[in-house]
Amino acid sequence: AQSVTQPDIHITVSEGASLELRCNYSYGATPYLFWYVQSPGQGLQLLLKYFSGDTLVQGIKGFEAEFKRSQSSFNLRKPSVHWSDAAEYFCAVAPNTNAGKSTFGDGTTLTVKP
Amino acid sequence: DVKVTQSSRYLVKRTGEKVFLECVQDMDHENMFWYRQDPGLGLRLIYFSYDVKMKEKGDIPEGYSVSREKKERFSLILESASTNQTSMYLCASSPSGTALYEQYFGPGTRLTVT
Repeated sequence: AQSVTQPDIHITVSEGASLELRCNYSYGATPYLFWYVQSPGQGLQLLLKYFSGDTLVQGIKGFEAEFKRSQSSFNLRKPSVHWSDAAEYFCAVAPNTNAGKSTFGDGTTLTVKP
Repeated sequence: DVKVTQSSRYLVKRTGEKVFLECVQDMDHENMFWYRQDPGLGLRLIYFSYDVKMKEKGDIPEGYSVSREKKERFSLILESASTNQTSMYLCASSPSGTALYEQYFGPGTRLTVT
């Protein structure tokens, strides 16, 4: 069974600063990996996904994530944070078998200081 | 755009009541999911369905049941609501194949059981 850990419960960054949110997973092979964002009062929205191939993936809203097999990580990055990026971010992992369930991390809440 | 709608944004029910949460998606997706979201616990899968009239238990099915009579609609039923079922409930849908894990979420129903 897969598992995912988001080590940071809460992160605060200044507007315009760079951002990195951490995600570590546990799975016997290379899984499918996802980042979702949840704005206050809303459902989750898919930011980006990794299935295979290029380990640096681009997503919506200027986000990117890098898959590092050696570190079992899939960290989310953004070079310059905007106030509208304040939200909760979830990393998710799924088996690469087109069957089974996704497992979500506990989430990281991002606060953006003006 | 995929749209997933949930019948209520906020719901208040009394202990022991039977509660129905409805979810409808408009993109002809095969797969539908019910999660509950609690602070610090991330998203936990209650039930999911790969097809009409098919259902599978997720990680926390106790106290819940589901119904999928039509492809676009997936209902979550609390047979006898209890206070520990106070939570945010999120519905999601996804297509088949690799995209199974690219889930589209509704806005959520915040259920309070008193």
